[in-house]
Amino acid sequence: GENVEQHPSTLSVQEGDSAVIKCTYSDSASNYFPWYKQELGKRPQLIIDIRSNVGEKKDQRIAVTLNKTAKHFSLHITETQPEDSAVYFCAASTPYGGSQGNLIFGKGTKLSVKP
Amino acid sequence: NAGVTQTPKFQVLKTGQSMTLQCAQDMNHNSMYWYRQDPGMGLRLIYYSASEGTTDKGEVPNGYNVSRLNKREFSLRLESAAPSQTSVYFCASSATGITGELFFGEGSRLTVL
Repeated sequence: GENVEQHPSTLSVQEGDSAVIKCTYSDSASNYFPWYKQELGKRPQLIIDIRSNVGEKKDQRIAVTLNKTAKHFSLHITETQPEDSAVYFCAASTPYGGSQGNLIFGKGTKLSVKP
Repeated sequence: NAGVTQTPKFQVLKTGQSMTLQCAQDMNHNSMYWYRQDPGMGLRLIYYSASEGTTDKGEVPNGYNVSRLNKREFSLRLESAAPSQTSVYFCASSATGITGELFFGEGSRLTVL
């Protein structure tokens, strides 16, 4: 089945620096790659997603890139702010496992932005 | 518009006890999901319901049952709780299935002693 690996598990940056989180997936049939942000004690919330027919997507300070050949995708946060501190999860869809397939999550990256 | 509401928020059980986690959404979404979140493990799908009247197993269904009561409500039942089921449980819904945004509830923290 699909396996999603996420690195690093923890990341500490200074305010204003950039942060990059990387994920790899194993199933070449995967075609949807969302990123979720979870603040401490809160629910996960979608921040950006990308589909397999697109190589890059941006939304203000956040961007995601996808390399289908290498089976990896990355989250880029520029000009980081303290409110970016959270756990970030990548995920990859797979068409296997029931009528809808499945969404497999990485284990998360704890991002700390120091003022 | 409350989004996804799940109850209870906290629960402590003894091994062997049963309980039901309730989830309701008011966004008219067809798909609903139950995930568990364990430290360092990310989110793992327990069961989902693609539409009213259907349910499917996810990655970790053992020890759980679900009921899609109607379009709004999707419950998760632990028939005989075990310490390995100590976790934070999240209900989620989606208008377009797994290839669209998941809207999560606030989570239910379950401890099994």
